[in-house]
Amino acid sequence: EAGVAQSPRYKIIEKRQSVAFWCNPISGHATLYWYQQILGQGPKLLIQFQNNGVVDDSQLPKDRFSAERLKGVDSTLKIQPAKLEDSAVYLCASSPGATVEQFFGPGTRLTVL
Amino acid sequence: TQLLEQSPQFLSIQEGENLTVYCNSSSVFSSLQWYRQEPGEGPVLLVTVVTGGEVKKLKRLTFQFGDARKDSSLHITAAQPGDTGLYLCAGADGNKLVFGAGTILRVKS
Repeated sequence: EAGVAQSPRYKIIEKRQSVAFWCNPISGHATLYWYQQILGQGPKLLIQFQNNGVVDDSQLPKDRFSAERLKGVDSTLKIQPAKLEDSAVYLCASSPGATVEQFFGPGTRLTVL
Repeated sequence: TQLLEQSPQFLSIQEGENLTVYCNSSSVFSSLQWYRQEPGEGPVLLVTVVTGGEVKKLKRLTFQFGDARKDSSLHITAAQPGDTGLYLCAGADGNKLVFGAGTILRVKS
């Protein structure tokens, strides 16, 4: 069974630029999560989707971050404009929906200069 | 806001030594998970503990959930260099996970 796919794996941008990350969850997983992991910290939930609906986006900085999950499968996370403090690893995870067991992708490491 | 504190933050030991890392909270969780994360990869689930006082063993790893379901520990016997990584605990709040900051373990050969 294929795991959670993410791209790109690395991205370097300058502050005030825009960036987008892509995630393809495990086939059949209804729930998709985006996390931000700053160096030295644990993952922090940004947004949770159930199929194509948002379940929790309370910690998403909505003035600059946006996410969508069209058709309830793939998802994209966008930052516009980026700030220095957005430098982090952005992790995507999915779960079947009936359990809290989450399966993580390898992440996208973002560096904002 | 539920918080999970992990200790120690960093642990460097020799191959063959035993170690214990801790995960503590003032909140009660319905379940608690332990993940291991290697550099450049996402966290990988090791175990889920659900019942207060529960003990689970995974080869040389022993996981314990506190009686009050607020804390947990991970004990590794005879650590090996392959155990090196970031160990994260995560408490379940509904179907949402709250992560601790992790313990970085380095096992030297």
